[in-house]
Amino acid sequence: AQTVTQSQPEMSVQEAETVTLSCTYDTSESDYYLFWYKQPPSRQMILVIRQEAYKQQNATENRFSVNFQKAAKSFSLKISDSQLGDAAMYFCAYRSSYNDMCFGAGTRLTVKP
Amino acid sequence: ETGVTQTPRHLVMGMTNKKSLKCEQHLGHNAMYWYKQSAKKPLELMFVYNFKEQTENNSVPSRFSPECPNSSHLFLHLHTLQPEDSALYLCASSQDPQGSTLTDTQYFGPGTRLTVL
Repeated sequence: AQTVTQSQPEMSVQEAETVTLSCTYDTSESDYYLFWYKQPPSRQMILVIRQEAYKQQNATENRFSVNFQKAAKSFSLKISDSQLGDAAMYFCAYRSSYNDMCFGAGTRLTVKP
Repeated sequence: ETGVTQTPRHLVMGMTNKKSLKCEQHLGHNAMYWYKQSAKKPLELMFVYNFKEQTENNSVPSRFSPECPNSSHLFLHLHTLQPEDSALYLCASSQDPQGSTLTDTQYFGPGTRLTVL
């Protein structure tokens, strides 16, 4: 079965600094998608970024980028120039053609002014 | 304004009550999902509907009963719940049925915070 592990229950970052959230996953499949979702205190789960496993190039969305290491089954999220509005729970998720969406337990990010 | 809405946002109920959670998506999607989010646990997929037909039921107790009258609306009927059912219940939708398109992204509603006394 596929599993997604987020080893950091909580992280904090100073405003304007950079922070990296870790995610590892376990799968025997070669074709899949990886996602990072953000859930702010308002509870609305929002897609931050996604990565296709067949692409070697790391996905980037403005201040958010990923470091995708397929061989290591690692998918970390880097947030640059952190803002107060980035404070939220961040969930890493995995999905393949043959399996349901699988989420990690989440990392709570605090941004200090 | 989100494309997926859920009502109510908060619900407190006794173990003998019957209540329903409602989800509506305004995105023209064909698939809808119910997730349970408990404290310090990963999201748990409960039900999946593709084109109004239930395609997944991940060993969910029968005290949870989903209903999908059309592709835009999804309900979760609750009866004789247990205190351990207290959680945030999230609804999501996606353009394509799960498994048909790898690029498919799920869009989530704000959730209903359920407390069972």
